[in-house]
Amino acid sequence: AQKVTQAQTEISVVEKEDVTLDCVYETRDTTYYLFWYKQPPSGELVFLIRRNSFDEQNEISGRYSWNFQKSTSSFNFTITASQVVDSAVYFCALSEAVIGTNAGKSTFGDGTTLTVKP
Amino acid sequence: GAGVSQSPRYKVAKRGQDVALRCDPISGHVSLFWYQQALGQGPEFLTYFQNEAQLDKSGLPSDRFFAERPEGSVSTLKIQRTQQEDSAVYLCASSLDGPRMYFGPGTRLTVT
Repeated sequence: AQKVTQAQTEISVVEKEDVTLDCVYETRDTTYYLFWYKQPPSGELVFLIRRNSFDEQNEISGRYSWNFQKSTSSFNFTITASQVVDSAVYFCALSEAVIGTNAGKSTFGDGTTLTVKP
Repeated sequence: GAGVSQSPRYKVAKRGQDVALRCDPISGHVSLFWYQQALGQGPEFLTYFQNEAQLDKSGLPSDRFFAERPEGSVSTLKIQRTQQEDSAVYLCASSLDGPRMYFGPGTRLTVT
């Protein structure tokens, strides 16, 4: 069975601080996908990034960066110079790669609520 | 273009009533997913369609839950004889290719 653990339930930082959200996953699959989503107060899940299990290259997108380490089954997310607008719930998710179809169901963590104070 | 839409956005049902939740995926998206999100938790998988075929319904919590997508586009999630534990946000997502999902705004169901 797949499992995603986001140990940090809530994080509070002051604007311009850097913050890292942790994600640890469990799977028996050799091929899988990892995701981060943002859920603002409006409730709609916003896709941030997808990572394939065979690509451990870290990625940076503006103030966002992701560190994927297969050896420790972790996929951590860092926001540099946080802003008030970054306040939201962030979810890490793991998706199976299903042969013969183009999608697979996802297992989500319970989320980390990030509050950025001005 | 239009994103995933869901209706109604809010639904209040008395215990024992049947409800139907609608999802309009992004046009042309082959895959459609339903998730249930309880307060303070992450979304949990309910069921998955590829076109009109329901390929996985392992997450449906009981036989009171039923989903359909008869023409491979719009989908309906039906809950019969609602119970208080059914109160949650029901999220629909669609996908064109690969596992990236586009989520709708959700339907918040409250069972009183």
